[in-house]
Amino acid sequence: EVQLVQSGAEVKKPGATVKISCKVSGYTFTDYYMHWVQQAPGKGLEWMGLVDPEDGETIYAEKFQGRVTITADTSTDTAYMELSSLRSEDTAVYYCATDSSGYFDYWGQGTLVTVSS
Amino acid sequence: EITMTQSPATLSVSPGERATLSCRASQSIAGNLAWYQHKPGQAPRLLIYGASTRAPGIPDRFSGSGSGTEFTLTISSLQSEDFAVYYCQQYNNWPPYSFGQGTKLEIK
Repeated sequence: EVQLVQSGAEVKKPGATVKISCKVSGYTFTDYYMHWVQQAPGKGLEWMGLVDPEDGETIYAEKFQGRVTITADTSTDTAYMELSSLRSEDTAVYYCATDSSGYFDYWGQGTLVTVSS
Repeated sequence: EITMTQSPATLSVSPGERATLSCRASQSIAGNLAWYQHKPGQAPRLLIYGASTRAPGIPDRFSGSGSGTEFTLTISSLQSEDFAVYYCQQYNNWPPYSFGQGTKLEIK
């Protein structure tokens, strides 16, 4: 059974950095891209970027370029999403999701990040 | 960048009735479209990929159709568990992968 288990909720101050993890099981981690998707309160889903765990190559959405870093640790089958220079608009639930052919087959349970002074 | 537009924003339907949700792409995406169901507090769930192929375990009351720029998700006989927000997503031209803004399916 494929599982993506994300780290717990975070509360951060404006300007801080948050790093969320996504540990996978049930499939070969390096076989599929791992994506990160943001859902702000009352908003829809927004793609942030992806990592290819096989070689670490990343692609980021323009909106998050320069503030987001997505990595993959093949020794622990875990993907990470780091978002820096946090502001109130970054308050959101963040999901990791696998990609077998461009669509997102499996999703993590989501991690709520709250940015507040 | 491809923009995905869903309509309507909210759809009110009675249990047992049919629901039809639309998704339009700003340029052709062939059949590279997925639909997701999203309930509060849960992860999104893949329903349809390739515009019309049901994901494993998805009931056959869910069906997708369309190609190019116009797509439809139909739920043939609504069950109580189907009331949720539905998103379409294109994966033909990326980055970025783009989602529609969602259609909230609510009980009438």
